[in-house]
Amino acid sequence: DIVMTQSPDSLAVSLGERATINCKSSQNILLKSNNKNYLAWYQQKAGQPPKLLIYWASTRESGVPDRLSGSGSGTDFTLTISSLQAEDVAIYYCQQYYRAPFTFGPGTKVNIK
Amino acid sequence: QVQLVQSGSELKKPGASVKVSCRASGYTFIDYPMNWVRQAPGQGLEWMGWINTNTGNPTYAQGFTGRFVFSLDTSVNTAYLQINGLKAEDTAVYYCVRDPSGWYYFDDWGQGTLVTVSS
Repeated sequence: DIVMTQSPDSLAVSLGERATINCKSSQNILLKSNNKNYLAWYQQKAGQPPKLLIYWASTRESGVPDRLSGSGSGTDFTLTISSLQAEDVAIYYCQQYYRAPFTFGPGTKVNIK
Repeated sequence: QVQLVQSGSELKKPGASVKVSCRASGYTFIDYPMNWVRQAPGQGLEWMGWINTNTGNPTYAQGFTGRFVFSLDTSVNTAYLQINGLKAEDTAVYYCVRDPSGWYYFDDWGQGTLVTVSS
């Protein structure tokens, strides 16, 4: 199975400041034939199901604010919140869909400092 | 709009069975597979597998074979997850999830069903 790890486990950022979450896969999840990274990011607020934010590592889902962005390739990926807002308080998960079983990272909790 | 509405919370004793339903609306049910994802209390997300809503053929992730059963009733646009021989470690929120792209990233989630297994 492809193991997904995330760092940090949690972070506290001041309103308006940048938050950076890292995700690492145990195997390469870039398919060279189509040059796509099979990596998605989700946001889960308390008591709610996860919400898809980004897929193909950097494609923003419709309606997702552009202060959230994804980057990276191969095995190392980053979700950046450029200017943290109160509504961004949540747990963020990465997920690989390169190969079944489709596995998630353990999550990163983002709070306001 | 797409909606996945799941059945309510369940409290079951060890050894019992539970059947969680997921009623879909806002799209053609048989055109998109349905996935199931588990989230134990305070824990992360585990993909359990998926069911082909056109053929009814299920695929289970390792760790979810034997006691877990995916099924459908296409007449009412509903997918089901049945768990037999419940154990305490099955206590979790179970989500039905639609993947419209076919690539296994998950756009549409049910609200989740909490299954609690306790004597």
